[in-house]
Amino acid sequence: DAGVIQSPRHEVTEMGQEVTLRCKPISGHDYLFWYRQTMMRGLELLIYFNNNVPIDDSGMPEDRFSAKMPNASFSTLKIQPSEPRDSAVYFCASSPPGGFYNEQFFGPGTRLTVL
Amino acid sequence: GDSVTQMEGPVTLSEEAFLTINCTYTATGYPSLFWYVQYPGEGLQLLLKATKADDKGSNKGFEATYRKETTSFHLEKGSVQVSDSAVYFCALSAYYGNNRLAFGKGNQVVVIP
Repeated sequence: DAGVIQSPRHEVTEMGQEVTLRCKPISGHDYLFWYRQTMMRGLELLIYFNNNVPIDDSGMPEDRFSAKMPNASFSTLKIQPSEPRDSAVYFCASSPPGGFYNEQFFGPGTRLTVL
Repeated sequence: GDSVTQMEGPVTLSEEAFLTINCTYTATGYPSLFWYVQYPGEGLQLLLKATKADDKGSNKGFEATYRKETTSFHLEKGSVQVSDSAVYFCALSAYYGNNRLAFGKGNQVVVIP
């Protein structure tokens, strides 16, 4: 299996622009998680899905952030408009069904820089 | 709520030294406990896990024992290598059936030759 795939790996944009991050989870996994990692705040869970349905989006910082999962093999995280404080590494992770002791499999991350 | 606390600050040590990273947790019920490792420029990957009290997880020379009486899951390795330089995260999964993990803040480990 190719693992969790994220694109792009690096994104540099200017303040005010729309940014779309993409994730393809591991086939057969029914949980998908979006995280943000910064030096100041560490690893933060933004939102997670189960069977393509958003379960908890309480970690989404504000209305500028939105996430979708139109099918089992694709998810997007969109920031519109972007701000410099959104600069971070964004990780997508997926997890198989079956219980709370299952590990999460992380993608390589997207490093976002907003100028 | 459920949470994980890791010791503050980076850890710098010499090759072949003994490594300990402390992790304590707060949770209702009986969580599963994990250690994840993040190598430079990569995503997190599972290092080891334990699903019930007194279980010992082990992998790549690392070990951690699930101690319910002290609510701890300390990570240890007897002889570290330069290649062990990474960030280590302790995490727990509470019994909500949702696969959600609560992560600690992570510890940067730097092994000097």
